[in-house]
Amino acid sequence: NAGVTQTPKFRVLKTGQSMTLLCAQDMNHEYMYWYRQDPGMGLRLIHYSVGEGTTAKGEVPDGYNVSRLKKQNFLLGLESAAPSQTSVYFCASSYDPEGQPQHFGDGTRLSIL
Amino acid sequence: GQNIDQPTEMTATEGAIVQINCTYQTSGFNGLFWYQQHAGEAPTFLSYNVLDGLEEKGRFSSFLSRSKGYSYLLLKELQMKDSASYLCAVMDSNYQLIWGAGTKLIIKP
Repeated sequence: NAGVTQTPKFRVLKTGQSMTLLCAQDMNHEYMYWYRQDPGMGLRLIHYSVGEGTTAKGEVPDGYNVSRLKKQNFLLGLESAAPSQTSVYFCASSYDPEGQPQHFGDGTRLSIL
Repeated sequence: GQNIDQPTEMTATEGAIVQINCTYQTSGFNGLFWYQQHAGEAPTFLSYNVLDGLEEKGRFSSFLSRSKGYSYLLLKELQMKDSASYLCAVMDSNYQLIWGAGTKLIIKP
């Protein structure tokens, strides 16, 4: 049982480049989330989805776009990368937000030069 | 604003007991979660509290007081593998998790 799988695990980009981070879950979860984790700060929600075909903004959505075309996949796009987007990105999924834990992928370490 | 406070770092001795505190101020409350995160790895779920009181799960226990906006995670019989960051997160009125910055726990032999 793979759980939540993120690709790639590491990436270095130049300012202005674009890229897509892929998250896949095999637990049939409705809810999926993208977070960023920066030193000295708590995880911050970028975007989330409550089901296939839906997306919503979180706390820090600017500079990112997402899509949930299939229930098992949640894509995070950086349109024009900036150094401030250097971070560790985590994808998570849950069956139900009320009382159910979120399950996390191993993260993508992204550096923007 | 919403705020979760927990100590930045704590040190304890192998075999001892340690208590990690978390205080919160959020718009609404729909439960509090504790996660463990080893360096360079994903957070993993430890415990969930929605009602006041103590939840025990093996060597780990978690306590909640909603009136005080306070929780703690108690780790007993500490092992070296418990060296990790411990994240406190509160589910707000929109069912979104608000995360603390985490407490780095260092275990010494």
